[in-house]
Amino acid sequence: AQTVTQSQPEMSVQEAETVTLSCTYDTSENNYYLFWYKQPPSRQMILVIRQEAYKQQNATENRFSVNFQKAAKSFSLKISDSQLGDTAMYFCAFMNNDMRFGAGTRLTVKP
Amino acid sequence: EAGVAQSPRYKIIEKRQSVAFWCNPISGHATLYWYQQILGQGPKLLIQFQNNGVVDDSQLPKDRFSAERLKGVDSTLKIQPAKLEDSAVYLCASSLGGPGTDTQYFGPGTRLTVL
Repeated sequence: AQTVTQSQPEMSVQEAETVTLSCTYDTSENNYYLFWYKQPPSRQMILVIRQEAYKQQNATENRFSVNFQKAAKSFSLKISDSQLGDTAMYFCAFMNNDMRFGAGTRLTVKP
Repeated sequence: EAGVAQSPRYKIIEKRQSVAFWCNPISGHATLYWYQQILGQGPKLLIQFQNNGVVDDSQLPKDRFSAERLKGVDSTLKIQPAKLEDSAVYLCASSLGGPGTDTQYFGPGTRLTVL
């Protein structure tokens, strides 16, 4: 069964700094998708970024980028120029036939 | 474009009572998902529908949970009777394509408290 591990329950970063959130997963599949979702205190789960496993190029979305290491089964999220609005729970997710989520990392951006 | 809608946003019930949640997916999205998110954990898939058919309900506690998606649009999730451990946020999501092929978009969730 696919499992997703987020080893950092909580992290904090100063505003305008860069932070990296870690995620590892376990699978025997070759084709799959990986996601980072953000869940602010309001609870709405928002897509941050998506990566297809067959693509070698790392996905980027403005201040958000990933470091996808397929052989290592690692999928970290880098947030550059952190903003107060980035404060939220961040979930890493693996999708093949269904979606599996990690336990989340609570990120706090400090002014 | 309107997002995934859910109601109610909050519900408090006594154990052994029944409760129902409603979800309206993004227009045109074929696949609908229900997740249970217990406090401090990531969401766990309960059931997924493609159009009005069940694709996967292997993690749905069928002795007390039921779900339907009539006409392939709206969906309801019911718990009867509720237990204390059912206290959680119930999230609905939808995707344009089939399961495992497309990005899922989430609704705001329903927070259930069972006393």
